[in-house]
Amino acid sequence: EAGVAQSPRYKIIEKRQSVAFWCNPISGHATLYWYQQILGQGPKLLIQFQNNGVVDDSQLPKDRFSAERLKGVDSTLKIQPAKLEDSAVYLCASSDVKGATYEQYFGPGTRLTVT
Amino acid sequence: GESVGLHLPTLSVQEGDNSIINCAYSNSASDYFIWYKQESGKGPQFIIDIRSNMDKRQGQRVTVLLNKTVKHLSLQIAATQPGDSAVYFCATRGSNTGKLIFGQGTTLQVKP
Repeated sequence: EAGVAQSPRYKIIEKRQSVAFWCNPISGHATLYWYQQILGQGPKLLIQFQNNGVVDDSQLPKDRFSAERLKGVDSTLKIQPAKLEDSAVYLCASSDVKGATYEQYFGPGTRLTVT
Repeated sequence: GESVGLHLPTLSVQEGDNSIINCAYSNSASDYFIWYKQESGKGPQFIIDIRSNMDKRQGQRVTVLLNKTVKHLSLQIAATQPGDSAVYFCATRGSNTGKLIFGQGTTLQVKP
């Protein structure tokens, strides 16, 4: 089974520029998550989609971050304008609740450096 | 707010020894707990999970122990191997929020 795909793997931009990340979840997974992982910390949930609807975006800085999952499959996360503190790894994960497990499958992440 | 923390940022063990990584959580309503392993340049990978109605669960070379009284979770790795070197995260799921809260991670270093 193919895993969660993300692109690009690395991105370097200057502050105030915009950037977009793409995620393709595991086929058939209804739930998609975007996490921000700052160096040395655990992942922090930014937004959770169930199919193409937003379940939780309480920690998404909505003045600069946006995300969409229009067809309920792949998703994009955008930052505009970027700040230095946005430097982090952006992880996409997907899950399909079956039985008693809530396991989330993570992609390799996109490492963003804002200079 | 809700928090999840690990006791040690770094753990160094000799190859072949057993490793124990500890985690404390604050939300007594947490009903699901999960351990992830993250190797450099990769996303977190599921290791083992446990629900709040259990206090122990075993996998292949790994055991998770849950003590709800003191809100403590541990991951035991038997016969630690060089391939176990990674950052380990515990995460809890609050039954009232439904989302995973991750701890900061413990780096496991395995010495040959």
